[in-house]
Amino acid sequence: QKEVEQNSGPLSVPEGAIASLNCTYSDRGSQSFFWYRQYSGKSPELIMSIYSNGDKEDGRFTAQLNKASQYVSLLIRDSQPSDSATYLCAVRPMKTSYDKVIFGPGTSLSVIP
Amino acid sequence: DTEVTQTPKHLVMGMTNKKSLKCEQHMGHRAMYWYKQKAKKPPELMFVYSYEKLSINESVPSRFSPECPNSSLLNLHLHALQPEDSALYLCASSHQGPNYGYTFGSGTRLTVV
Repeated sequence: QKEVEQNSGPLSVPEGAIASLNCTYSDRGSQSFFWYRQYSGKSPELIMSIYSNGDKEDGRFTAQLNKASQYVSLLIRDSQPSDSATYLCAVRPMKTSYDKVIFGPGTSLSVIP
Repeated sequence: DTEVTQTPKHLVMGMTNKKSLKCEQHMGHRAMYWYKQKAKKPPELMFVYSYEKLSINESVPSRFSPECPNSSLLNLHLHALQPEDSALYLCASSHQGPNYGYTFGSGTRLTVV
């Protein structure tokens, strides 16, 4: 089992819809979780971080964490064409140094005008 | 200053060349990282520096040699690379602690010929 898994996509949603991106992880002791957005040819950009079970909202973005199910998700409300990018889930496992995060393979999102 | 600056942005080098990639940040981050990213793949961790000391080396070949001269600078020295080393090399930095995400630089696109 891979340490961090995501649906590779591509995920296509119409403009204005909610995009739902999912991530599962294998290390039950993982303590912090991050979502990065990466536009084609650019570097990753941190958009959300979450550490506690439940929801965390920031503008149109909501991160959801369920440690019992080892599941973290990112919801993008009112999706815009500018949200078209690859979204990387990153997990900081307990078993490694806290300096290290593990990236998932990424989900490609396409928002159709 | 909320940026990580990487130079050069593009680099073409022969297999016998020696070159260096540079990374600089002035955010007071004491953890700095080198990642390698191939097309359509997530970033792969290469090295982690914590308080200017190498804390993680992910079994990277010796043709890659990192250096952290001070808390703001990170270098990656390259020597005798192979064509398969062609990739986007990303520098990142963060505060110490499990709940801090990374700030990535814009990367160096390296081509080995």
